[in-house]
Amino acid sequence: EVQLVETGGGLVQPGGSLRLSCAASEFTFKTYAMNWVRQAPGKGLEWVSYISSSSSTIYYADSVKGRFTISRDNAKNSLYLQMNSLRDEDTAVYSCVAVAGSRSVYWGQGALVTVSS
Amino acid sequence: DIQMTQSPSSLSASVGDRVTITCRASQTISSYVNWYQQKPGKAPNLLIYGTSNLQSGVPSRFSGSGSGTDFTLTISSLQREDFATYYCQQSYRTFGQGTKVEIK
Repeated sequence: EVQLVETGGGLVQPGGSLRLSCAASEFTFKTYAMNWVRQAPGKGLEWVSYISSSSSTIYYADSVKGRFTISRDNAKNSLYLQMNSLRDEDTAVYSCVAVAGSRSVYWGQGALVTVSS
Repeated sequence: DIQMTQSPSSLSASVGDRVTITCRASQTISSYVNWYQQKPGKAPNLLIYGTSNLQSGVPSRFSGSGSGTDFTLTISSLQREDFATYYCQQSYRTFGQGTKVEIK
């Protein structure tokens, strides 16, 4: 069974940093592009960042550009999101998502990030 | 970034009803519009990809159409298990705001 497991969430003060990890298993991770998608409590889905299978192409939503950095390690079947200069509005469940073509096919259950003083 | 404006934000319908949800892009886009269903506490589930292609395992009562800037998800005969929130997505990027389908 395909698994995407996010870790690294938690409570952080405004202006702080956090690094999320996503461990993939039971699919050929290195052949999939990956996304980070977040969902604030009671709100809709928000695309955060995209990385191609080889890491050659990276995109960010305007809301996180310059503060978040996406990366991956295909040898470790892992995806990362470094989040700096965190704001209250970054509070959300962050999920890693495997992308095939243009479609999001596998989703993790997410890690909660709470930004609060 | 391209914006995806989804409507309505919520609707009430009865089992057996035909339901249509619309997504409008802020500019002309290719046919890479996907639709997802999300139930409370669960990850989204892909229903339609590439505007009109039914994802494997998804019931045929779900269909998608559209082109240019206007895209539609249709549920031909609403079933009890279809009460959920639906999102459009432009390719792998921007999501619409969501449409909550509730029981009338």
